Amino acid sequence: DIVMTQSPDSLAVSLGERATINCKSSQGILFSPNKKNYLAWYQQKSGQPPKLLIYWASTRESGVPDRFSGSGSGTEYTLTISSVQAEDVAVYYCQQYYSTPLTFGGGTKVEIK
Amino acid sequence: QVQLVQSGAEVKKPGASVKVSCKTSGFIFTDFYVNWVRQVPGLGLEWMGRISPSSGVIHYAQKFQGRVTLTTDTSAATAYMELTGLRSDDTAMYFCARGELIIRRQVGHDFWGQGTLVTVSS
Repeated sequence: DIVMTQSPDSLAVSLGERATINCKSSQGILFSPNKKNYLAWYQQKSGQPPKLLIYWASTRESGVPDRFSGSGSGTEYTLTISSVQAEDVAVYYCQQYYSTPLTFGGGTKVEIK
Repeated sequence: QVQLVQSGAEVKKPGASVKVSCKTSGFIFTDFYVNWVRQVPGLGLEWMGRISPSSGVIHYAQKFQGRVTLTTDTSAATAYMELTGLRSDDTAMYFCARGELIIRRQVGHDFWGQGTLVTVSS
C-alpha cells in the first residue's frame, strides 16, 4: 500500500497570510501514459463531506479560488493557500489515486490565528 | 446536476449488519466508479473500496475484505455498501464518492454523498 504522510497536523495562520501543507507518498504516483501525478487535495469543513480542490497534483477543480495551488512531483507534494481567508478554516487531506487501495494522508487542520 | 444522495442514519447492535445506499443522478452511472470512504468521528478519511457499475469489477481495501460487500443496481443508478459483523469501532460516517472509470481521466473523487452516520452500540 502507498502510505501518504502529511505535515503539519495543524497550523494557525493569520488572515491574509500564506499556509503551506506538505504531503509525502511512500512511492511514486506518476501515471506514465499521461505524465500526471495522481495526487488530489480535498478540503473538509466541519459537518460536510470532503470537497475536491486540486487533482493531478496541480490542477484546480472548477470553481476553486485561485489562492489555492498545488505543486510537487515524485514523492513530495504541497498545497498552498496564498492568502488565507476565514472561510478556509477546514481540514485538508491529500490522497493518491494511482493504485488501490486509494490512500489518504492523515489531514492538516487549518485555523485562524 | 450531479448528485449522490445517501440513506439515513442507522443505529445497530454489535454483530449486526448495515446496508447503506447511494442514489445517483445527473450523470451516466455506468461511466464512473462508486467509491466508499469512511470517517471515524474526529479522525481522518479511510477508503473502503470501489465498484464499477458497468463491469462489476470491485476493489476492496484489505482491512475490510470479507466484511464489506459493494453492489449496484444500474436500473436505479444506486450503489450499496453492506458491512457485516459490526463492532463499536465501525461507528463512523460513511460516504459514497464518484470516481472516473477511465484511468487516464481519473482525478480523484469529484462528487460526494452527504454521508451516512452508522452508530454501533449495545
